[in-house]
Amino acid sequence: QSVLTQSPSASGTPGQRVTISCSGSNSNIGNNAVYWYQQVPGTAPKLLIYRNNQRPSGVPDRFSGSRSGTSASLAISGLRSEDEGDYYCAMWDDRLNGWVFGGGTILTVV
Amino acid sequence: EEQLLESGGGLVQPGGSLRLSCAASGFTFSDYGMHWLRQIPGKGLEWVSTISGSGGSTYYANSVKGRFTISRDNSNNTLDLQMHTLRPEDTATYYCAKGRQWLLPLGQNWFDPWGQGTLVTVSS
Repeated sequence: QSVLTQSPSASGTPGQRVTISCSGSNSNIGNNAVYWYQQVPGTAPKLLIYRNNQRPSGVPDRFSGSRSGTSASLAISGLRSEDEGDYYCAMWDDRLNGWVFGGGTILTVV
Repeated sequence: EEQLLESGGGLVQPGGSLRLSCAASGFTFSDYGMHWLRQIPGKGLEWVSTISGSGGSTYYANSVKGRFTISRDNSNNTLDLQMHTLRPEDTATYYCAKGRQWLLPLGQNWFDPWGQGTLVTVSS
């Protein structure tokens, strides 16, 4: 069972906006930066968002991150078929003294 | 282009040992912290271990502490993970990943990029 809670699945149609949530506690989200990773089936994870809301070069501005209290969200606007995959939130946990990941959200573009 | 290539995975019996390696290219290896992470087949991601650029500082997940050892050879741009006393629950795809140039504070680190992974299966 993950320390960080993500809804197991999300879906949307092309062009729509979807939001993926990540819920934690004061020892992780409440006190540390949030990171989001995208994993397209059959490939390695890729950094999507760092330090709550920053995009690495090459990541489209359709992807945005936010954090409030002990929750964080990843929003994807203008949904595209290539956005299908698994999305994970991750951060340092002060109590566990290590990095923790959410259980992942499977995004389907219908 | 930054690239990471893992090797060394395979089938090992419970209680056995295995050494994973990760060959890095496309960046000044010794300047960056490096990480090992794993993914149980069909499941989520788990951080395993981290090492500073110099190799002088190491960090481990509680689940592997005392059994796994991370190390690096900056002259050959390689990262290793020595795994002992392997358990069935260690079965996973193991990824190496590049971190930030400055390892501290740990909470400000990320994993980018990742290698393609190497599968470790612990079974009799």
